[in-house]
Amino acid sequence: SQTIHQWPATLVQPVGSPLSLECTVEGTSNPNLYWYRQAAGRGLQLLFYSVGIGQISSEVPQNLSASRPQDRQFILSSKKLLLSDSGFYLCAWQPGGVGAFFGQGTRLTVV
Amino acid sequence: GESVGLHLPTLSVQEGDNSIINCAYSNSASDYFIWYKQESGKGPQFIIDIRSNMDKRQGQRVTVLLNKTVKHLSLQIAATQPGDSAVYFCAELWNQGGKLIFGQGTELSVKP
Repeated sequence: SQTIHQWPATLVQPVGSPLSLECTVEGTSNPNLYWYRQAAGRGLQLLFYSVGIGQISSEVPQNLSASRPQDRQFILSSKKLLLSDSGFYLCAWQPGGVGAFFGQGTRLTVV
Repeated sequence: GESVGLHLPTLSVQEGDNSIINCAYSNSASDYFIWYKQESGKGPQFIIDIRSNMDKRQGQRVTVLLNKTVKHLSLQIAATQPGDSAVYFCAELWNQGGKLIFGQGTELSVKP
């Protein structure tokens, strides 16, 4: 069966520190992969999506970047975190045509 | 624009009543739509989906209706229960490039 793993569940980082959030999918190949950010009480903002290895589409210019070094691995990074980067980060995968499924999210607090 | 907008940000219903959550989408080229339920602190949970070649799809206690003429999507929940209380999002998948865009969300509150 297909599963998605996202970690860590919570993270507290100081301003100016780097960030690396990882998402991996099991049981499928060549999925579409997504990173979203959600502010408290708000909707899901699409940050990046990828339709294949090394293919990254950026939706919102910001302090973050994404990479897909392997077919089922999607990484969200920052070199220097800002206070405004705080939020709930969600990874999702879409198997090509049917559904789109989310990880449990990472609650990032930048202090 | 790219965003998927919702008509009602909050909805309060009595337990046992039917709920209708609406969504307006902007991209006429979108060919696949999904409804999600999100509980506090968790990732969105897939509820039901519909392709653009359909106008209605039913699941267990849920029905999704699609009106492509006015680019409108709705989620109907029958016999709403307290466990249905959550935020509901619609999402549209653009048929080119794999972009999956979410609407703002509607918070559903079920009163016992």
